[in-house]
Amino acid sequence: KAGVTQTPRYLIKTRGQQVTLSCSPISGHRSVSWYQQTPGQGLQFLFEYFSETQRNKGNFPGRFSGRQFSNSRSEMNVSTLELGDSALYLCASSLGGPPYEQYFGPGTRLTVT
Amino acid sequence: GIQVEQSPPDLILQEGANSTLRCNFSDSVNNLQWFHQNPWGQLINLFYIPSGTKQNGRLSATTVATERYSLLYISSSQTTDSGVYFCAYYNQGGKLIFGQGTELSVKP
Repeated sequence: KAGVTQTPRYLIKTRGQQVTLSCSPISGHRSVSWYQQTPGQGLQFLFEYFSETQRNKGNFPGRFSGRQFSNSRSEMNVSTLELGDSALYLCASSLGGPPYEQYFGPGTRLTVT
Repeated sequence: GIQVEQSPPDLILQEGANSTLRCNFSDSVNNLQWFHQNPWGQLINLFYIPSGTKQNGRLSATTVATERYSLLYISSSQTTDSGVYFCAYYNQGGKLIFGQGTELSVKP
């Protein structure tokens, strides 16, 4: 089975711009979760989508949004980028129910200048 | 929420040495996972281990849910074992909550 894929792998944006990241889950997985990793805050949960609906949400501002398509692929959007949004963004897929084991993609490294 | 404490925060080993990484929780947790983050940032699943002991090659893990801890054993370490090891648990609804990680460096 193919693993979780994320595109693009690297991205450089300017403050104020917006960005869209993409995640394709493992075939058969219906849940996609997004995480942000920074040196200061570690790995933090952004949100989870299951069957095209946001099921869980972390403590991030509304500039961070996402969606999921009928084929379970998910996109994450960050609007009005700030320097502090520079991070590694990881997505993970799972079946969405027990067992809850998640499998991670390689990540998108976003740099905001 | 439940606090996750990983120890040690950093570890330097000589190739061939054994090590034990620990994850403590402030309360009982369900559905714990161990990950290895390689130098390129990818999180690799090591174990999904709600309880009991599992082994995979040179790695093994034990979770004692009633005592609120989990251990990851690495035997005969290799330079490719270098990276950051995370434990994480699933809170209500299936969010993964991560510890701060143990950074392992294996020297040749």
